[in-house]
Amino acid sequence: QVQLQESGPGLVKPSETLSLTCTVSGASFSGYYWSWFRQPPGKGLEWIGYIYDSGSTKYNPSLKSRVTISMDTSKNQFSLKLTSVTAADTAVYYCTSGAGWLTDFWGQGTLVTVSS
Amino acid sequence: EIVLTQSPDTLSLSPGEGATLSCRASQSVSANYLAWFQQKPGQAPRLLIYDASSRATGFPDRFSGSGSGTDFTLTISRLEPEDFAVYYCQQYAISPLTFGGGTKVEIK
Repeated sequence: QVQLQESGPGLVKPSETLSLTCTVSGASFSGYYWSWFRQPPGKGLEWIGYIYDSGSTKYNPSLKSRVTISMDTSKNQFSLKLTSVTAADTAVYYCTSGAGWLTDFWGQGTLVTVSS
Repeated sequence: EIVLTQSPDTLSLSPGEGATLSCRASQSVSANYLAWFQQKPGQAPRLLIYDASSRATGFPDRFSGSGSGTDFTLTISRLEPEDFAVYYCQQYAISPLTFGGGTKVEIK
């Protein structure tokens, strides 16, 4: 059973960079898609992007200019960076995994608030 | 981008009643790559149905998914107290992956 745990600052100032890490246990990175999603408080879900085991990435065009997803297989981690954040980026951020684009496993989520 | 529209926004039902949730896509979802997720307050979404009609591990057979092309349905045959939650449909056929706005199934 894959387990994922998000970590990172819960508060980020406007215009700064949001950085989160997802620590993976119970699976290797090989053959899986590792994704980030987010959910603003009281609202719906949005896909941010994924990284595949080869290191290839795909991002939501709505965020593409500000997003970078990377992986560190030696630490069993993958990460999200979102630059130039605003209040609209306040959300619960989830890391997930799946054998394809279907997401099977989700982390518990971490709330990131953008505020000065 | 495929836009998914869910209806209704809210379903008010009593335990034991059946629920029918709709998800309509703005264009055909190839290979029926349509999933349903269940989300309870304070929890992450949980995969419920994939490939439009395959039930994920851990969910009872009172949950069923159907549909193809642009019209999909999630049916809960007899609501149990633990089924009251928000349900989202998601297409994973083309990028960007997109979700519907959700249907809240609440206790009447």
